[in-house]
Amino acid sequence: DVKVTQSSRYLVKRTGEKVFLECVQDMDHENMFWYRQDPGLGLRLIYFSYDVKMKEKGDIPEGYSVSREKKERFSLILESASTNQTSMYLCASSSRGYEGYTFGSGTRLTVV
Amino acid sequence: GDSVTQMEGPVTLSEEAFLTINCTYTATGYPSLFWYVQYPGEGLQLLLKATKADDKGSNKGFEATYRKETTSFHLEKGSVQVSDSAVYFCALDSRGNEKLTFGTGTRLTIIP
Repeated sequence: DVKVTQSSRYLVKRTGEKVFLECVQDMDHENMFWYRQDPGLGLRLIYFSYDVKMKEKGDIPEGYSVSREKKERFSLILESASTNQTSMYLCASSSRGYEGYTFGSGTRLTVV
Repeated sequence: GDSVTQMEGPVTLSEEAFLTINCTYTATGYPSLFWYVQYPGEGLQLLLKATKADDKGSNKGFEATYRKETTSFHLEKGSVQVSDSAVYFCALDSRGNEKLTFGTGTRLTIIP
C-alpha cells in the first residue's frame, strides 16, 4: 500500500526550540508539499519541492524552512518555534502529470 | 490571486438526505478542480476531480460538475450515509503547476 508517512502524530515543543517534522513517501513522487491546517483557514501552503535539493516558498513560509536531500524525504524545520505555529501540519506528494495528492496523516504540533 | 470559497459549516443531515456543498472559485485561466475528503484522524484523500469546463467528476456516489460560467464546482450526493461524515475540501490548480489552493473545508455530520 503506497503511503506518505509523517514521523510523529503528536508533538509538544517549547517556545524557541528548533523543530523538525519529517515526511517520507514510498511512491517515487517528484513533488512534495507541506501545508498547515487551521480551523476556519483551511490548508495553507508553506513550502513545496519539485525535485531533490529544490524548494520553493508557498503562501506562508515565514518562520519555516525545508530540506530535501533525498527524493523520498521532505523535512519541515521550525527555526525557533512560537505559539502561533501550533497547528496541524500535513505533508503531501504527487507525481508529475498527477492524479491528485497523496497526504500523510498529519502531525499535530503544540508549542507551549 | 487564486481563491476557493466553500459554504460555511458545519452541515448536519439525516441519513439518506440529499447533499449539496457549494464551492466557487477565482482563478487565472482554466483551473483543474478537486474535492478532497478528510475522515476523522486521517489525512486528506482525493474524492473526485474535473479538468475542463462541463466535465463531471464522480466517485463513491458523489458528483461535481465544472461550471465555467458560474465559476462553481458544487459537490452533490443523492443519499448520504453515516460513513460520509467527514470534512470536505474544494481545491484548484490554476496554472497546471500541481500546486493546489484549498478552501476552508466544510464539516459534514450525518445522523442515523
